[in-house]
Amino acid sequence: QAQLVQSGGGMVQRGESLRLSCVGTAFNIDPYAMHWVRQTPGKGLEWVAVITHDGSGRYYADFVEGRATISRDNSKNILYLEIDSLREEDTAVYYCTRDEKVAGNYYYYYGMDVWGQGTTVTVSS
Amino acid sequence: DIVVTQSPLSLSVTPGESASISCRSSHSLLRDRGSHLEWYLQKPGQSPQLLIYFTSIRASGVSDRFSGSGSDTDFTLKISRVEAGDVGVYYCMQSVRTPRSFGQGTKLEIK
Repeated sequence: QAQLVQSGGGMVQRGESLRLSCVGTAFNIDPYAMHWVRQTPGKGLEWVAVITHDGSGRYYADFVEGRATISRDNSKNILYLEIDSLREEDTAVYYCTRDEKVAGNYYYYYGMDVWGQGTTVTVSS
Repeated sequence: DIVVTQSPLSLSVTPGESASISCRSSHSLLRDRGSHLEWYLQKPGQSPQLLIYFTSIRASGVSDRFSGSGSDTDFTLKISRVEAGDVGVYYCMQSVRTPRSFGQGTKLEIK
């Protein structure tokens, strides 16, 4: 069964950096676009960033633009999110997930059908 | 950016009854084969799980008690014969354009 297993996170001070990791198990991430989504305390889901299957395209939410880098190493089946200059409002549970799949010249979309277990980031002042 | 608005924000339903959640987009979600609107359920203490994609296609393993409908900017998730295991927060999300955007969430409780 396809799974995404997350690591990283924890408690950091305002202004510090953090890197989150997300490993695919029982499937290869390389044909998939991969996303990060977060959930701030007591609030709903917020999309954070996406990276295309080959890493050629990266897009960010306004609230992390310029502070975050999404990256992937398909040879290791792993996705990353690094956030610099962390703010208290970045405190959240961060999830990785996959969606659009590329096969040759075709794109297949089945929704965000596999999610990681989530990892908590707490930023203190 | 596309704004997605859900209503109601909370629901209390008697087991066996039906429930409906509405989702409205600020822009058309039509592209290619249809409207790019998905529904997710986040059960207490769990990661979100996909229920519906492309407005009305149930994800693998999702009960046929869940059905999605709508087009363009107006969408509905209907849950038939609500069960105790359906409790959680339901989110719609548009995937027609980046940045993706989620609705505020609808919390479903059982009476």
